[in-house]
Amino acid sequence: EDQVTQSPEALRLQEGESSSLNCSYTVSGLRGLFWYRQDPGKGPEFLFTLYSAGEEKEKERLKATLTKKESFLHITAPKPEDSATYLCAVQATDNFNKFYFGSGTKLNVKP
Amino acid sequence: DTGVSQDPRHKITKRGQNVTFRCDPISEHNRLYWYRQTLGQGPEFLTYFQNEAQLEKSRLLSDRFSAERPKGSFSTLEIQRTEQGDSAMYLCASSSTGGQFFGPGTRLTVL
Repeated sequence: EDQVTQSPEALRLQEGESSSLNCSYTVSGLRGLFWYRQDPGKGPEFLFTLYSAGEEKEKERLKATLTKKESFLHITAPKPEDSATYLCAVQATDNFNKFYFGSGTKLNVKP
Repeated sequence: DTGVSQDPRHKITKRGQNVTFRCDPISEHNRLYWYRQTLGQGPEFLTYFQNEAQLEKSRLLSDRFSAERPKGSFSTLEIQRTEQGDSAMYLCASSSTGGQFFGPGTRLTVL
């Protein structure tokens, strides 16, 4: 069964302390991997799409990378406003109609 | 605002009542998705429309749930005979290709 696992469940960082979030997946074939940011009480906000192993995308302090079995979201010198839950989702090649989400990593950046 | 909108934002109902939610996608997006999200979990896929056609429906979706997208524009999600277990955030997302853009969600509380 297709599955997405995110780790850690929660992460507390000091402002400026860089770290990485992990998203591992098991799908028959990967069509795309997506990262989202979700603030409390709001819908997820689209960040990145990655399609093939070795691909990287950057936006401000965030950088997403992809291997054949997992993706990392690197956060460089985070600020308190980066505090949110980060979700990843995958779309499989054998069914374009569905997206499978992980449970997310809740990031808390302390000033 | 050209983003995805959902109405209502909050709904409190008594067990056994029917409820209907509306989603207005980004106008040029032909793909529309409904998800359910409970606290601490990622969005769970419910159903997918391409234009007006419902192409995918989760096996988790009981026959109390029905969704429509007449004319391929806005969509409605109806839950009949609500149960306390239906309490959740209901999210709508739209896309053309690639990543999805989510609305703010409708929070349903079933008493």
